[in-house]
Amino acid sequence: QKEVEQNSGPLSVPEGAIASLNCTYSDRVSQSFFWYRQYSGKSPELIMSIYSNGDKEDGRFTAQLNKASQYVSLLIRDSQPSDSATYLCAVSYGGATNKLIFGTGTLLAVQP
Amino acid sequence: NAGVTQTPKFRILKIGQSMTLQCTQDMNHNYMYWYRQDPGMGLKLIYYSVGAGITDKGEVPNGYNVSRSTTEDFPLRLELAAPSQTSVYFCASYGYTFGSGTRLTVV
Repeated sequence: QKEVEQNSGPLSVPEGAIASLNCTYSDRVSQSFFWYRQYSGKSPELIMSIYSNGDKEDGRFTAQLNKASQYVSLLIRDSQPSDSATYLCAVSYGGATNKLIFGTGTLLAVQP
Repeated sequence: NAGVTQTPKFRILKIGQSMTLQCTQDMNHNYMYWYRQDPGMGLKLIYYSVGAGITDKGEVPNGYNVSRSTTEDFPLRLELAAPSQTSVYFCASYGYTFGSGTRLTVV
């Protein structure tokens, strides 16, 4: 059974702080990893993808991948109240079919 | 460029009724997916398609059917609605673009 685990939160951080979101996965052969942001009542929005070990930065977001530890994280620098949302970690399986297994999400609350 | 369009946005069904959730994409993507999301849960894959005429089951296919006659359209069919199918349904295409969702309640 393939699984993706996330702490459900809520994770509360003050405005301007760094938010750190974590995710572990069970399938060692997974090759692609994604972070989605989902506002309440809205659809998921892809914010980061990462395929290789190490860090990948995009603006205020940094994704980190450690395949040996089966661990993915998302750092949000200079957190803003508009970052308050649920963050979903997703891991691909099934090779070229690009099917995704999602975690249950971490609710982030950025306090002004 | 609309991306992925889902209709309807909301629907209430009675137990045993049937309906089709529509999904259309204008990005010429071969891969399309249907997910459901229950409250406080992650998304679960129902069915997916890798191209016109090719579909396959995901994690939770029971109670659903799909077809893919064109690259653009990937409808999801519920034949005998049950309360357990109350959920939010999302269609997505390769490139991981999601539609806005259909909120379905079965009473």
